[in-house]
This record gives sequence, C-alpha cells and structure tokens, in this order.
Amino acid sequence: AQSVTQLDSQVPVFEEAPVELRCNYSSSVSVYLFWYVQYPNQGLQLLLKYLSGSTLVESINGFEAEFNKSQTSFHLRKPSVHISDTAEYFCAVTSPGGATNKLIFGTGTLLAVQP
Amino acid sequence: NAGVTQTPKFQVLKTGQSMTLQCAQDMNHNSMYWYRQDPGMGLRLIYYSASEGTTDKGEVPNGYNVSRLNKREFSLRLESAAPSQTSVYFCASSRTGTVREKLFFGSGTQLSVL
Repeated sequence: AQSVTQLDSQVPVFEEAPVELRCNYSSSVSVYLFWYVQYPNQGLQLLLKYLSGSTLVESINGFEAEFNKSQTSFHLRKPSVHISDTAEYFCAVTSPGGATNKLIFGTGTLLAVQP
Repeated sequence: NAGVTQTPKFQVLKTGQSMTLQCAQDMNHNSMYWYRQDPGMGLRLIYYSASEGTTDKGEVPNGYNVSRLNKREFSLRLESAAPSQTSVYFCASSRTGTVREKLFFGSGTQLSVL
C-alpha cells in the first residue's frame, strides 16, 4: 500500500527566509503527487501537483516542488516566505489512473512564519 | 462563487445523540467526498460518491452513513455519536472521480462529542 510521510509536524521560519517542507512517499510504481494548503479556518486548496513531464512544478504564489524518483521525495520549497504563507501544508500521493478516493494524505506540516 | 458549503460550522453533541452534516456544491461536480481530519493523522476518507446515485465506503466508514440527495448535496449522518468521532469534518467535490481533477473543499465542521 502506498503511504506518504511528512517528518516535520511544524516548521517555524522568519519572514523572507527560505523554507523547505519535506515529503517522502513509499511506492515502487509510478505516482501522482500533490501539495495542498490549508489556511486558518479554511478547507484545503490545491497548491501544485506532479502528474508527469518536468519534475519541477511551480505554484502561482512562488512555491515549487521537485519530484525525485530515486529518493522518493516531493519536497516543497519557497525561497522567501511571507507572513501570509502561514498555513498547514499536506502532501498527498496516488497512482496514475487511480481515482480521487485513493488519494493518500500525509499528516501535515504547519508552516509558522514569524515577523 | 460559493463553491462547497458545509453546515453547521460547529457542533457539540452528547454521546449517543445523532446529527447530520450537510454539504452542497454549486460547481456541477459529479463526485463528492467526506473526510475527517484528526491531529497527527492527516485527512482520512469516510465515504465518497463518485456520481449521483452512488455511494461507497472510504478508509474509516464505521459509525457513519451518507446520502447523495441529488447532484448538489451529500450529507453525512452520525446515528449514535461517540467521543472517538470528535474531529473536524470536511466535505469536498471534484468534477469527476479521476485523480487528475483537483478537490474543492468546504471550510469544515468542528464536531465535539462529549
């Protein structure tokens, strides 16, 4: 069975500093990978996804994630964070051709941006 | 656009009470889902409805029932609430059930069972 691990439950960082949120998955087959973001008191929103093609994917608000098959990772990075990036970030994995009901979510990483 | 609307936002129940969580989407999506979110456990799928007229169990269906009332509405019922059902519940929808389609989430219902 597939699984996804987010080792860091909380990542504190100062504003304008770079950040990396780690995500590792366990699968011997092809995968689709996602990052969802949950702002305070809101539902989750899709931040970015890797389905195929370029291993580096970007979001509209400056985040990027790189699919690394050899390390089975999909870490999320941003070179300079803002206070407004404070949120919980969830990594998710599933198999190509699978249905959304097979999407497996990680336990989440709380990004706490401090002034 | 309203997107996915859940009611109520907060609810406190006593053990053994019943209640229904309501969810409606205005995006003409075919598929709808109920998740629960618990600290340190991420999101877990309770039930889903791939299309109007169908419902299926997810990872943690015990203690819950669902009804896909029509294409817009998908309700979650707790027949006899237990403290283990204290959680934040999210309804979500997607255009189809294929994983390429992104999920749209409601803002959640915080449920406490005493």
